[in-house]
Amino acid sequence: EVQVVESGGGLVQPGGSLRLSCTVSGFTFSSYWMHWVRQAPGEGLVWVSRIEGDGTDTRYADSVKGRFTISRDNAKNTLYLQMNSLSAEDTALYYCVRDSHHYAFDVWGQGTMVTVSS
Amino acid sequence: QSALTQPASVSGSPGQSITISCTGTSSDVGGYNYVSWYQHHPGKAPKLMIYEVSNRPSGVSNRFSGSKSGNTASLTISGLQAEDEADYYCSSYTSTSTLWVFGGGTRLTVL
Repeated sequence: EVQVVESGGGLVQPGGSLRLSCTVSGFTFSSYWMHWVRQAPGEGLVWVSRIEGDGTDTRYADSVKGRFTISRDNAKNTLYLQMNSLSAEDTALYYCVRDSHHYAFDVWGQGTMVTVSS
Repeated sequence: QSALTQPASVSGSPGQSITISCTGTSSDVGGYNYVSWYQHHPGKAPKLMIYEVSNRPSGVSNRFSGSKSGNTASLTISGLQAEDEADYYCSSYTSTSTLWVFGGGTRLTVL
């Protein structure tokens, strides 16, 4: 079964850092681009970041550029999102998402909640 | 404010058809055939329903169809069923620095 499972969310103070992880199974991880997409409470979906299969190319939404770093360990079938300088605006459910090879998002996890608050 | 514009809500009775619009610009919806649609039941993972404007992934009912004209994409659901009640989001690849954009979501209510 194709599956992605996020972890690492939690409560963090403004200005703090957090690292999210996403462990995948059921497919050849290195063959797929992977994304992080977030959803703030009561709001819609927002694309955050993308990494190519070999990890050589990464892209970010303007709102997180310079603060977030996406990475992957293909040997461990794991995707990461390092989040620094967090603010209340980063409070959201963070989804790990597989790219379908068609510029669409075809496998989603259940998400991990990040709350930035003092 | 979301990059793509969707109606906040639509409704229909069982068996009817509804259409959800998704309006962008020539930098996203109008410029690429990389429009996708997602069904999201709150508390569950979003589900890909349509990719590349009008293609259905394996397992998605043929009651769901997509189209595009200019800068506006549309999702049509025919033969509405109770389980179709959910939030629907459109998304598009974009030429801007933020590579993918979503609509604000449309809440579908099956009356």
